[in-house]
Amino acid sequence: SQQGEEDPQALSIQEGENATMNCSYKTSINNLQWYRQNSGRGLVHLILIRSNEREKHSGRLRVTLDTSKKSSSLLITASRAADTASYFCATLKGAGNMLTFGGGTRLMVKP
Amino acid sequence: SQTIHQWPATLVQPVGSPLSLECTVEGTSNPNLYWYRQAAGRGLQLLFYSVGIGQISSEVPQNLSASRPQDRQFILSSKKLLLSDSGFYLCAWDSGQGRGEQFFGPGTRLTVL
Repeated sequence: SQQGEEDPQALSIQEGENATMNCSYKTSINNLQWYRQNSGRGLVHLILIRSNEREKHSGRLRVTLDTSKKSSSLLITASRAADTASYFCATLKGAGNMLTFGGGTRLMVKP
Repeated sequence: SQTIHQWPATLVQPVGSPLSLECTVEGTSNPNLYWYRQAAGRGLQLLFYSVGIGQISSEVPQNLSASRPQDRQFILSSKKLLLSDSGFYLCAWDSGQGRGEQFFGPGTRLTVL
């Protein structure tokens, strides 16, 4: 299966609630990144966490990385309807610059 | 600042027809360039990447080819489209500095009928 698998595949929450998405991967990584994609659009880079980091914040986003479990989570706090999108994790291995993307989590935030 | 352009935005082509999708990047030099395909509701599949002019690596054997005639131009082509070539095609670039953070174009929606 793919390096970088998100769960859940789909998530529906009410505005104001927190949204948590998880990503698991199989091999050692250099860093892990989260991207957002609005329907029918390109991906937008959200946040990057290096393999020697455990937690990172950016605005309402909080990313954790557990290299022993080969997993990461993306938390969006106080969600808004505008957060509705698909969210992808991507891993960068030690050699080269190629990212491997997971299948994504489709988040719907209801107003 | 850097920008990335893709065109056309949408394309409907008959089976067996040729294809040419173009991607250009502005505001950076010697970027790594990537072509991805995304099936509906799915993740991204890397098709081709390029680290320099004329240098193309293919990740998946298929009906498509790529070329990089200029530093900031990346072209995806096919001589004869198949139904299975339908999808959302995304071009991306990164600086090649090792972080791997990629910047994506707006995509091209290709429908093969």
